[in-house]
Amino acid sequence: SAVISQKPSRDICQRGTSLTIQCQVDSQVTMMFWYRQQPGQSLTLIATANQGSEATYESGFVIDKFPISRPNLTFSTLTVSNMSPEDSSIYLCSSWTGVTDTQYFGPGTRLTVL
Amino acid sequence: GENVEQHPSTLSVQEGDSAVIKCTYSDSASNYFPWYKQELGKRPQLIIDIRSNVGEKKDQRIAVTLNKTAKHFSLHITETQPEDSAVYFCAASKGGGADGLTFGKGTHLIIQP
Repeated sequence: SAVISQKPSRDICQRGTSLTIQCQVDSQVTMMFWYRQQPGQSLTLIATANQGSEATYESGFVIDKFPISRPNLTFSTLTVSNMSPEDSSIYLCSSWTGVTDTQYFGPGTRLTVL
Repeated sequence: GENVEQHPSTLSVQEGDSAVIKCTYSDSASNYFPWYKQELGKRPQLIIDIRSNVGEKKDQRIAVTLNKTAKHFSLHITETQPEDSAVYFCAASKGGGADGLTFGKGTHLIIQP
C-alpha cells in the first residue's frame, strides 16, 4: 500500500487566519481525496483532488473556503481559509490506485481554531 | 446522495465472543463497501472490503456479508481479542475505491476481558 504523510500533524490557529495542509504519497496515485473528521465523529468527504484541474467539491464545501491543489500525482494541499472555531477538526487525505483498488489514509492533521 | 446508516453506535462483548456490526445504504448504484478500523489518535485502517459482485468475504477472524437486495452489509468478528477494541466505520461508494467514500457514523467496539 502507498505510504502517505501529512504536514503539519497538528496546529493551533487564530480565528480569521488560513492554514495549508500538505499530503505527500510515496508513489504515483490516480486519485486523492480530502476528508474532515470532527471530534468524536465520522469522516465526511470534502473534495476529490484532481490532477491538473479544479477539485470536485461535495455538497456543503466550497472552493473559497477549502481551496485544493494537486500539482502532480504524488502531492496535494488543502487550505482551510478564514478559519473559525467550527473548523476545528482532523483533516485527512487519502489516495487510490487501480493496483489495489482501495483507499488508504494519511495520519491526519489535527486543527484547533481559537 | 448516498446515506449510510450504521448500528450499533457502541458494542460491548466478552473476549472470545463474536461481534456483528450492521450497515445499510440508500443508493442502489453503490458497488464498493469497505470497513475501516480506527484506534484512538490513529488513522483509519482498511480491514476488509467487499464489492457488489460478491456476497461474502472472509479474512481470518473477520468476515463481511453483503445483501444487495436489502442494501445491507455487515462486519463479523469472531474470537474477539482486546486488540479488536476500536471504532469501526463502514463506508460505501459508487465507483469502487476510486470514488469518494460515504461513511457510517461508526461503532465503538469494546472487548471486555
